[in-house]
Amino acid sequence: QTVVTQEPSFSVSPGGTVTLTCGLSSGSVSTSYYPSWYQQTPGQAPRTLIYSTNTRSSGVPDRFSGSILGNKAALTITGAQADDESDYYCVLYMGSFWVFGGGTKLTVL
Amino acid sequence: QVQLVQSGAEVKKPGASVKVSCKVSGYTLTELSMHWVRQAPGKGLEWMGGFDPEDGETIYAQKFQGRVTMTEDTSTDTAYMELSSLRSEDTAVYYCATVDGDYVYFQHWGQGTLVTVSS
Repeated sequence: QTVVTQEPSFSVSPGGTVTLTCGLSSGSVSTSYYPSWYQQTPGQAPRTLIYSTNTRSSGVPDRFSGSILGNKAALTITGAQADDESDYYCVLYMGSFWVFGGGTKLTVL
Repeated sequence: QVQLVQSGAEVKKPGASVKVSCKVSGYTLTELSMHWVRQAPGKGLEWMGGFDPEDGETIYAQKFQGRVTMTEDTSTDTAYMELSSLRSEDTAVYYCATVDGDYVYFQHWGQGTLVTVSS
């Protein structure tokens, strides 16, 4: 069974930088998995942030960036703002199906 | 711009079926690859399945095979997700979402439909 791993929670100070990661229970994440990232606030539908590892979706501020760091996909928020406090999900494309990570709850304080 | 508008909340008894709709505007359904993702209360997102335009087939997550049916009515640009043999664990918000064919990511999302399974 494919398991995509994310940090359950993270905190960052306003104006700070934080990197959330997205790994595989076995193996390394590469661009071939087309990692994408989504932001979700309570009661709202997910919002697409990053696709194909590092491409920002339309309207997403450039303080959000995606990359591969080591054997994981990563989402970096530079200059965190209060309204970045959300849940963040990554998803990997496994060739014929998708697997979401468990999500990271980001606190900005 | 693609807009996806889903049907309203449902309450079902265990063992029943539910059918959620997702109306497309801004594009025609034939131009899109529609998928379904669900989220149980307080839990993460879970891909259920969707249309694979490469072979024209609908693919389902193994977990839901035999219990879920995804269909499309191209005359009304409406997609449907029907889940049968409902149990309490199926209580969740169900989202329709389009998948971009080139970069295989969830591009546009519906607002979600809460399905509550309770006796």
